[in-house]
Amino acid sequence: EVRLLQSGGGLVQPGGSLRLSCAASGFMFSDYAMYWVRQVPGKGLEWVSAVSGDDVNRYYADSVKGRFTISRDNSKNTLFLHMDSLRAEDTAVYYCAKDGYTATASKSYFDSWGQGVGVTVSA
Amino acid sequence: DIVMTQSPDSLAVSLGERATINCKSSQSVLYNYDNKNFLAWYQQKPGQPPKLLLYGSSTRASGVPDRFSGSGSETDFTLTISTLHPEDVAIYYCQQYYTRPTTFGQGTRLAIK
Repeated sequence: EVRLLQSGGGLVQPGGSLRLSCAASGFMFSDYAMYWVRQVPGKGLEWVSAVSGDDVNRYYADSVKGRFTISRDNSKNTLFLHMDSLRAEDTAVYYCAKDGYTATASKSYFDSWGQGVGVTVSA
Repeated sequence: DIVMTQSPDSLAVSLGERATINCKSSQSVLYNYDNKNFLAWYQQKPGQPPKLLLYGSSTRASGVPDRFSGSGSETDFTLTISTLHPEDVAIYYCQQYYTRPTTFGQGTRLAIK
């Protein structure tokens, strides 16, 4: 069974940093691209970032480019999102998600999701 | 970016009746190389992450009941629940994965009448 267990959310001041983690199990982690998607409470879904299975290719939404860094440790089956220079508009529930069929982080849907962690950016 | 627009924003259907949700993309999501539409549907219940229902516009994900079906091509798509069950109360989202960034519709809230 595929499992994605997230950790690392919380309250942070504007301009601060936070690191999210997503521990994967139940599948060959390095065979699949992984993603971060966020959702402002009561609102829709916004793609944040993607990383290829080999951690070579990384992609970001314009809204977080230059501030967030996605990475993965395939030896530990863990995905990360390091968030710097956080803003109030980054406040959301953050989900990690698994690619539906490919390692290339391109043109795919998400077939498994983590439970989500809340990030609140406030003074 | 491709804009995904769902209709209606909310919908109330009687148990056992059909529910239909529409999704329109601002440009075609049909990948001509293999004639597949890069369109997925998700179901999200309160306090839970989204759950994949359909991909390729009409292929059900593993374990999804066959009362859920998808249709459409290029820019216009439909999610149909043939007979509404109580556990189908949720918000439904469409997603295009034809281009980066992948984008989602605003969601359709489905309730029981």
